[in-house]
Amino acid sequence: GAGVSQTPSNKVTEKGKYVELRCDPISGHTALYWYRQSLGQGPEFLIYFQGTGAADDSGLPNDRFFAVRPEGSVSTLKIQRTERGDSAVYLCASSLLDRGNTDTQYFGPGTRLTVL
Amino acid sequence: QQPVQSPQAVILREGEDAVINCSSSKALYSVHWYRQKHGEAPVFLMILLKGGEQKGHDKISASFNEKKQQSSLYLTASQLSYSGTYFCGTEMGGSARQLTFGSGTQLTVLP
Repeated sequence: GAGVSQTPSNKVTEKGKYVELRCDPISGHTALYWYRQSLGQGPEFLIYFQGTGAADDSGLPNDRFFAVRPEGSVSTLKIQRTERGDSAVYLCASSLLDRGNTDTQYFGPGTRLTVL
Repeated sequence: QQPVQSPQAVILREGEDAVINCSSSKALYSVHWYRQKHGEAPVFLMILLKGGEQKGHDKISASFNEKKQQSSLYLTASQLSYSGTYFCGTEMGGSARQLTFGSGTQLTVLP
């Protein structure tokens, strides 16, 4: 079946602009995660949704970052007043969350954001 | 707190074995292993839950030592396709579902 998809695959923007990054999770997956990956580093957690609500947003670096998942499926990560330090690959992952213990997170290909 | 992975990089010849370690200073609920090739999504390999279990898939296996809060990934008879960066992601458990990833181990398998 289809995996996690993310659009756009690449986004180049200017400092101070607003950007939106989209994630389509695997159909039926209840949980959705956003991570950010800088060059040479592992993914860094940003926010986690269970259904429509943000269950944990403790990884969002500041209030310029916001994410929504209004219908419990597609999610959008929004970054206001972008800064050069926001440049990274933004990864989305989804999981079934049906066992109550732990489960597999499946990652999308990511959106490479470059802030000039 | 970020888990520590070692080694940072390893170069092998096809058919050789490798071990990648992942250590945490905090009590873990589970450890998740991923492989990522350049420019691609991390690909799930396996999950190990606390309790000291060991798992295997083909020629890749892993263990989780709960007392030491350490997991090891074993690659035997490595193939060219094993090349990539390996990440361990640790989960604290409870309501904290997110993974905290190490900095990765870059594995290169040469013919």
